[in-house]
Amino acid sequence: ELKVEQNPLFLSMQEGKNYTIYCNYSTTSDRLYWYRQDPGKSLESLFVLLSNGAVKQEGRLMASLDTKARLSTLHITAAVHDLSATYFCAGGGQGGSEKLVFGKGTKLTVNP
Amino acid sequence: NAGVTQTPKFRILKIGQSMTLQCAQDMNHNYMYWYRQDPGMGLKLIYYSVGAGITDKGEVPNGYNVSRSTTEDFPLRLELAAPSQTSVYFCASSYSGTEQFFGPGTRLTVL
Repeated sequence: ELKVEQNPLFLSMQEGKNYTIYCNYSTTSDRLYWYRQDPGKSLESLFVLLSNGAVKQEGRLMASLDTKARLSTLHITAAVHDLSATYFCAGGGQGGSEKLVFGKGTKLTVNP
Repeated sequence: NAGVTQTPKFRILKIGQSMTLQCAQDMNHNYMYWYRQDPGMGLKLIYYSVGAGITDKGEVPNGYNVSRSTTEDFPLRLELAAPSQTSVYFCASSYSGTEQFFGPGTRLTVL
């Protein structure tokens, strides 16, 4: 059974700083997803990582996947206030299934 | 395209009442899902469907039922509502093998 753990669960950082959110998963997962959720809103897809060594970047966010270590990271570069949100990773695709297992999320607060 | 739509946005139920949460998508996606999100938690899968007429249980199916008579619609039925079903419910869809797109959610309170 796939389990997904994120850390940290809460992250407060200053604008301009860099930080990384970690997502560990317990068993083989065919793909790894990152989502963003603003308070009271739905989930917005950020990245889909499909293979070992995959790296994707969008603006100040960069996601990577290491399937051997069962680890994905979401790196934030030079944070700005607009990045404040909760970030979820989710693993899935085991055996062709599309069932996703979500982590508990990382609540990011970027302070001026 | 409207994407994934859900109705209602908010609902308050009394214990023991029943209701149906509606979900529709206009992207011709085969896969549809229902999740619940409790405060401070990630999403947990309730039921999912890989096509019209096919449904399967997720991680937390007890107290819920689903049907999938068309590609577009995937309603979630709550029978005999309980306070433990107070949550935010999200419907999602995907074209098989790809990322999931989420609806705006339904906030349900059971008193």
